Amino acid sequence: AQSVAQPEDQVNVAEGNPLTVKCTYSVSGNPYLFWYVQYPNRGLQFLLKYITGDNLVKGSYGFEAEFNKSQTSFHLKKPSALVSDSALYFCAVRPTNDYKLSFGAGTTVTVRA
Amino acid sequence: GAVVSQHPSWVICKSGTSVKIECRSLDFQATTMFWYRQFPKQSLMLMATSNEGSKATYEQGVEKDKFLINHASLTLSTLTVTSAHPEDSSFYICSATAGTSYNEQFFGPGTRLTVL
Repeated sequence: AQSVAQPEDQVNVAEGNPLTVKCTYSVSGNPYLFWYVQYPNRGLQFLLKYITGDNLVKGSYGFEAEFNKSQTSFHLKKPSALVSDSALYFCAVRPTNDYKLSFGAGTTVTVRA
Repeated sequence: GAVVSQHPSWVICKSGTSVKIECRSLDFQATTMFWYRQFPKQSLMLMATSNEGSKATYEQGVEKDKFLINHASLTLSTLTVTSAHPEDSSFYICSATAGTSYNEQFFGPGTRLTVL
């Protein structure tokens, strides 16, 4: 069975500072990894995904994530956070041979002006 | 990008009534749709997977007679919460995927259900 851990319930940063949201995963075989963002009372918006290839993945709104197989991590990063980045972020994983996504518990990001 | 819509966006109903939630893929054909449930400040829990023209596959612990899922076409899946009770109050989110690679699920905006 696959699982995802987001060790931080909350991340607080000042606008303009780097933002990192941590994610580690457990899955049989090679993983497909995803990051989604959710604003209040809204569905999930896709940010980026790792399927294969380059370990550094660039996504929407200036976000990027680095796949680290040895550490089984897929941390989300943004070099300079904006107040509008304040939201709930979910990491998700699925194995290549299954369609079911497993989500982490979510990390609430607050960017203060 | 692919767009998934849900209707209604929110609904309030009395205990004992049934509520239908629609999930539509607007610009692609969705071979598979997924229904999730999300409690406040918690993660998404997969309820069931539906493929067009076949019966839905429910996750363990999800009552199939309680949560009826129909995927009648490649662009529409419905979730009916039958005989709703206050504990069914939640945020219900659908997602859809096209093709067989399942590389990416496209999520709807969610439906807030409140049962009085």
